[in-house]
Amino acid sequence: GNSVTQMEGPVTLSEEAFLTINCTYTATGYPSLFWYVQYPGEGLQLLLKATKADDKGSNKGFEATYRKETTSFHLEKGSVQVSDSAVYFCALIEPDRGSTLGRLYFGRGTQLTVWP
Amino acid sequence: DTEVTQTPKHLVMGMTNKKSLKCEQHMGHRAMYWYKQKAKKPPELMFVYSYEKLSINESVPSRFSPECPNSSLLNLHLHALQPEDSALYLCASSQAGQGSYEQYFGPGTRLTVT
Repeated sequence: GNSVTQMEGPVTLSEEAFLTINCTYTATGYPSLFWYVQYPGEGLQLLLKATKADDKGSNKGFEATYRKETTSFHLEKGSVQVSDSAVYFCALIEPDRGSTLGRLYFGRGTQLTVWP
Repeated sequence: DTEVTQTPKHLVMGMTNKKSLKCEQHMGHRAMYWYKQKAKKPPELMFVYSYEKLSINESVPSRFSPECPNSSLLNLHLHALQPEDSALYLCASSQAGQGSYEQYFGPGTRLTVT
């Protein structure tokens, strides 16, 4: 079956520190991979995506590379800001066989807190 | 425009009340979703509509009743809810058809059942 495993949080960093949030996945076929971010009291925002092996998704200084050989999609940012404090969800979609829709599978989420 | 809107933002209802949550998107998406999210947890899929037809019901209790009046609107009718139904209810939309299409989420409705 399909599943996503994220590193346990919370993650606490000082401003300008380097961020890595690990994400690995299990899928039966060829999934697309996503990172979503949820700021306090808000819905989920799509942060970045990658649709095939070796693709790199990037947005707002965040990056993640689709690694098929290690089934990973780790989120990185070189210098975090206080405004990056949020919950980050790794997710995958793999089209169901015989279905017209891809189900979205989420990891457990990782709380990031950045201190000034 | 990648906006999904939801109303109301907050809702407090008693266990005997009937209320509705509303969701709207103008991205031309033909798949729409309802999720339930409890604190510190990922969203859980409840319902999926594809081309205005209910495609997936994740064994949700009948006190939740979805409706898709047209391709832009999605409602969730609530009746006789329980306190454990208190949660953030998220609507999302995406392209439909074969493919791994990203879902765009609304800001959610924070529901409290008293």
